Amino acid sequence: DSGVTQTPKHLITATGQRVTLRCSPRSGDLSVYWYQQSLDQGLQFLIQYYNGEERAKGNILERFSAQQFPDLHSELNLSSLELGDSALYFCASSPTNMNTEAFFGQGTRLTVV
Amino acid sequence: AQTVTQSQPEMSVQEAETVTLSCTYDTSENNYYLFWYKQPPSRQMILVIRQEAYKQQNATENRFSVNFQKAAKSFSLKISDSQLGDTAMYFCAFMKGSEGANSKLTFGKGITLSVRP
Repeated sequence: DSGVTQTPKHLITATGQRVTLRCSPRSGDLSVYWYQQSLDQGLQFLIQYYNGEERAKGNILERFSAQQFPDLHSELNLSSLELGDSALYFCASSPTNMNTEAFFGQGTRLTVV
Repeated sequence: AQTVTQSQPEMSVQEAETVTLSCTYDTSENNYYLFWYKQPPSRQMILVIRQEAYKQQNATENRFSVNFQKAAKSFSLKISDSQLGDTAMYFCAFMKGSEGANSKLTFGKGITLSVRP
């Protein structure tokens, strides 16, 4: 168990809908990262938050947004969902902003039908 | 931008044998970290081993060791005494270590390792 908790584990929703994925980082970790794993794109970095502030953006679509709350948990919001958004979404956390490896949650499997 | 290449999509090894997984990367950075992550069928991403680019000594964690060739930009993972539980997808990953850089990981496409009984 990495200590990073993601909910829900599975999510099935229809095209056009909006969903929220939740992540609780390891105790004391200030950085949260979101990654998307799909068959065609592999594992891609989406966005990072550090102590409540956005720190870096990767290949995140405009339909997607995230935030990190004062208690350091994070949410990834996906809207106007398309079939191609079906993927495994990982949250990872690390103690600081740099030079430390990230520990991953078990992921949320999103299926858009 | 950094790239990580894992050119072998699949490998198979007999239980108790040794297997080496290849990874090459491209970067202009001098300060960085390299990792191998394991993703078993449970899909959890598990850190296997970490290597700091400034360290000449190859990292070792029990049955797992790396061969880090900085000039060649090569970072292979050797698994000794393979066990059935090593069956998983393995990802090579790169992280910048520069001042001010964030700690995002750039992953290779992964390699599926099957350990045969």
